[in-house]
Amino acid sequence: QQPVQSPQAVILREGEDAVINCSSSKALYSVHWYRQKHGEAPVFLMILLKGGEQKGHEKISASFNEKKQQSSLYLTASQLSYSGTYFCGTEFSQDKLIFGTGTRLQVFP
Amino acid sequence: DADVTQTPRNRITKTGKRIMLECSQTKGHDRMYWYRQDPGLGLRLIYYSFDVKDINKGEISDGYSVSRQAQAKFSLSLESAIPNQTALYFCATSDYGTVNTGELFFGEGSRLTVL
Repeated sequence: QQPVQSPQAVILREGEDAVINCSSSKALYSVHWYRQKHGEAPVFLMILLKGGEQKGHEKISASFNEKKQQSSLYLTASQLSYSGTYFCGTEFSQDKLIFGTGTRLQVFP
Repeated sequence: DADVTQTPRNRITKTGKRIMLECSQTKGHDRMYWYRQDPGLGLRLIYYSFDVKDINKGEISDGYSVSRQAQAKFSLSLESAIPNQTALYFCATSDYGTVNTGELFFGEGSRLTVL
């Protein structure tokens, strides 16, 4: 079952904040977040394991609510370099990653 | 050199032709994956493999087959290509252990166009 991402697109000015959500209908083992820039391969940002641990990467952090099977990615004080498409990937056990449809983020000066 | 290498990077073919996309990796990972990317649909899993003798179907395996020739090589074949298989294909590897926790490392992608 493909996770549901929202919103589908976000437009920001530099310095603004954004939140991207990812939800699953099944119990999750982990949630991954990746960023893909135009014409490039997706790049790993962070992983959140069962247990609700919050992780951080530069000014990008994420949380995982096990009870709700939801994860949120927080982008603080956005920079031009944050532009791209963000994908969450969900694992139900340690085998395969199923991705959401992506959230396109555009940051303007 | 890239850790995960895909060939060809671009391919245009005709309906009904057999196509093979190849993936090789130098990361020493046991797990390899093939994903397909279409605009608005995200990345969808086609096949995955945990070792040479372990091949598993993903979300959209119909019309595709794979071969794991060695730990480092994982090929995707389209036996008789059709236009709706036009897409960007990614190979990825992962590993679980004390250092890695299953994050995917992607190749640069193979863009396939079926006319």
